[in-house]
Order: sequence, then C-alpha cells, then structure tokens
Amino acid sequence: GENVEQHPSTLSVQEGDSAVIKCTYSDSASNYFPWYKQELGKRPQLIIDIRSNVGEKKDQRIAVTLNKTAKHFSLHITETQPEDSAVYFCAASNSHGSSNTCKLIFGQGTTLQVKP
Amino acid sequence: DSGVTQTPKHLITATGQRVTLRCSPRSGDLSVYWYQQSLDQGLQFLIQYYNGEERAKGNILERFSAQQFPDLHSELNLSSLELGDSALYFCASSVNSNTGELFFGEGSRLTVL
Repeated sequence: GENVEQHPSTLSVQEGDSAVIKCTYSDSASNYFPWYKQELGKRPQLIIDIRSNVGEKKDQRIAVTLNKTAKHFSLHITETQPEDSAVYFCAASNSHGSSNTCKLIFGQGTTLQVKP
Repeated sequence: DSGVTQTPKHLITATGQRVTLRCSPRSGDLSVYWYQQSLDQGLQFLIQYYNGEERAKGNILERFSAQQFPDLHSELNLSSLELGDSALYFCASSVNSNTGELFFGEGSRLTVL
C-alpha cells in the first residue's frame, strides 16, 4: 500500500540556522504533497503544499522541493526561530477529482527543536 | 479556530466498551476525514466521506465504523475497545476531495483503561 517515510524523526538546530526535513513516498501516482505543523497539544495546520506539476515552492522562510523521479520531497526552513519548534508532518495523496477521493497519507513526523 | 468541531474532547472508558466520536465539519465542506494519532506516532488515515458516501478507506479496524449524515456531520464508532485504541482521534474537513487544505478539529482524546 501507500507509504510515506519521513526523516529525521528529531531535529535540533540553533536559532537562525536552517532546518531540512525529507520525505519519500511509494505511490508514483501521488500528485499532492502538503506539510503540516503540529504544536504541542494542538491540531495539525497546513504550512505549505506543492503539486506534482511544480518542482519548488517558497513562502517566506519556508520552501518545499519535489523530485518526482526520485519520489521524494523536502521542507526547508531558513532563519529558524524558537516558535518554529513543533512536530512537522509531510503527506502525500493521489487525489482524484472526478471521484472525490483523497487519501492523504502522512509521514511519521519530525520533532523540530529550535534552541534560542 | 479551524471551524471543525469535535466532541467529546476527552473520553475515558474501559476495555470492551463502545464509544462514539462526533465531528461537525466547516460550513460548506463536503468531505470529512478521520485520523488516529497514537503516542509518538504519526497520523494514521482511517476513512474519508464525501457528501454522505464513503470515498476512501485506510487501515481502519473492523471494530471501527463511521458514517456521514445528511447534515454532513460525521460519527466514528469504536467498539470492543482495547488498550491499544487509546489515542487522539482527529477529524478534518475540506471543501472537496481532490485538492487543497484539510482543516483539522482539536481532536478527541480517548483513553481506554
């Protein structure tokens, strides 16, 4: 079945440094790749997403890259701040508009700690 | 506030029991998704409904069932509960199913003793 592998499971960086989280997916038909941030005790929230027809997307300090050939995508956070500390989840789905089916499969999560 | 409402927020019950978790999606959202998040684990996809019909199924146990009602709210029924069912159960909704952001509720934390 579909599978999404996420690495590393934990990441500790110094404030101001960059953080990179990587994911690989198994279903070559996957076409939508969102990233969610979950702060302690709270619900996951979308921070950025990318579709299969795009190789890179950037939103301020956050960027995501996608390599469809290798079936992997990455989240890049630059100039990290203590408030970036959270669990980050990548996900992949093979969404079918005509059938209104979307099975979003999440990675295992990366706990990011940004030290002041 | 995501606009997705889940009840109850916390639930403690015993093994063998049955519980029902309720979810009201954002106004206008037709799709509802259920996810299970166990301790130190990711978000496991359980099931998706679109406008009252089941659309996708994940690793949902046979002891679990769900439905989406005409008013679009959804219920997740968990029966013959086991200790391992203790988890945070999230409901999420989206406008449609083929694209876009999932809006998660605050979750229902189930503890099975």
